[in-house]
Amino acid sequence: EPEVTQTPSHQVTQMGQEVILRCVPISNHLYFYWYRQILGQKVEFLVSFYNNEISEKSEIFDDQFSVERPDGSNFTLKIRSTKLEDSAMYFCASSAQLNTEAFFGQGTRLTVV
Amino acid sequence: GEDVEQSLFLSVREGDSSVINCTYTDSSSTYLYWYKQEPGAGLQLLTYIFSNMDMKQDQRLTVLLNKKDKHLSLRIADTQTGDSAIYFCAEKSGYGNNRLAFGKGNQVVVIP
Repeated sequence: EPEVTQTPSHQVTQMGQEVILRCVPISNHLYFYWYRQILGQKVEFLVSFYNNEISEKSEIFDDQFSVERPDGSNFTLKIRSTKLEDSAMYFCASSAQLNTEAFFGQGTRLTVV
Repeated sequence: GEDVEQSLFLSVREGDSSVINCTYTDSSSTYLYWYKQEPGAGLQLLTYIFSNMDMKQDQRLTVLLNKKDKHLSLRIADTQTGDSAIYFCAEKSGYGNNRLAFGKGNQVVVIP
């Protein structure tokens, strides 16, 4: 069964460093998303991406964040100058169409120390 | 804006029914979802209900939607140990976007 895969499963980084979280969406999907969940809090929408551009972003997704689809398979989230409060589980998701089911990856746990 | 609330923890004996509740605030919600997260795994869509429905049954799962009170529930019949997980309700508002607003999740522990 096709699935969304995320790497790494756990990343530890020092405050101020840049991290890139990687995702391989399901191959025929057109819409891609990043969500995050800070420990003990809700899963929060960050950004959606379609046709090589951001289609929607939340107030969390500021200039510190960027997304990219560098090739035909990967979808990345870059976080510049990480802060302690960026520590969270980051989920990638993809969907075939706009109003169809979003399939989620298993998440990357980011720990900023 | 959207806001989704869930209670946090439920323990249930194997074979019993479990009910998880959720409230939401956005009256323009079009779809409401239940996701399941097992340890170390991603968010798996269990079921969803369109906002003009009151109830949806899918095998052991029953979703009830009270649109007036903005209350959503998930009933799991004959709960199994494999049902132990965190359950998230989520809503999607309006058309033309795919942003999901999630609750905090409800951890269900099934006792053999």
